[in-house]
Amino acid sequence: NAGVMQNPRHLVRRRGQEARLRCSPMKGHSHVYWYRQLPEEGLKFMVYLQKENIIDESGMPKERFSAEFPKEGPSILRIQQVVRGDSAAYFCASSRVSGANVLTFGAGSRLTVL
Amino acid sequence: AQSVTQLDSQVPVFEEAPVELRCNYSSSVSVYLFWYVQYPNQGLQLLLKYLSGSTLVKGINGFEAEFNKSQTSFHLRKPSVHISDTAEYFCAVSEGQGGSEKLVFGKGTKLTVNP
Repeated sequence: NAGVMQNPRHLVRRRGQEARLRCSPMKGHSHVYWYRQLPEEGLKFMVYLQKENIIDESGMPKERFSAEFPKEGPSILRIQQVVRGDSAAYFCASSRVSGANVLTFGAGSRLTVL
Repeated sequence: AQSVTQLDSQVPVFEEAPVELRCNYSSSVSVYLFWYVQYPNQGLQLLLKYLSGSTLVKGINGFEAEFNKSQTSFHLRKPSVHISDTAEYFCAVSEGQGGSEKLVFGKGTKLTVNP
């Protein structure tokens, strides 16, 4: 039973390009959460999704960032027109039921913006 | 709003020494409390969690933590550390049952175990 799979593990983009980060939750998990870890900081909540629904996006920047979790396929975190300040590690977590006490984290995707 | 303070950003210790990593939280509601470990270039691994019941929680790799409601603390301890415990440790809090889905993390404590 594979854990939470994130890809790519490392992504390099130039300013103005788009970044797409993918997260496949654990088998049987229908709740997905995205967190961002800036250098020297703890993780910060971005968005919580269930299949085809965004439940809580209170941590998402207002512009350039979007997330989806389609009926089929992985969850995608999309960052348009990246800037250097977007350089961070982006972690996905999943759970079978709702609740912060039952999360399984992926290994993260590290985005570097040149 | 909830917040988590990890008082020490870096903790160096010698192998086989005891260690305590401090965590204080602020919340106006009942909470769940967590400690996660992050090894270099890896994701987060859950060490232990407090949901309810006994205030002394035992986790993996010989770690334990004690929930102190009056002091709003959840300090992590290990009586004898190994070189392999070198990692970054994050304390996190969420609202209790029926509350928020979000975890609020502290800034982390880098534990370095020296031979």
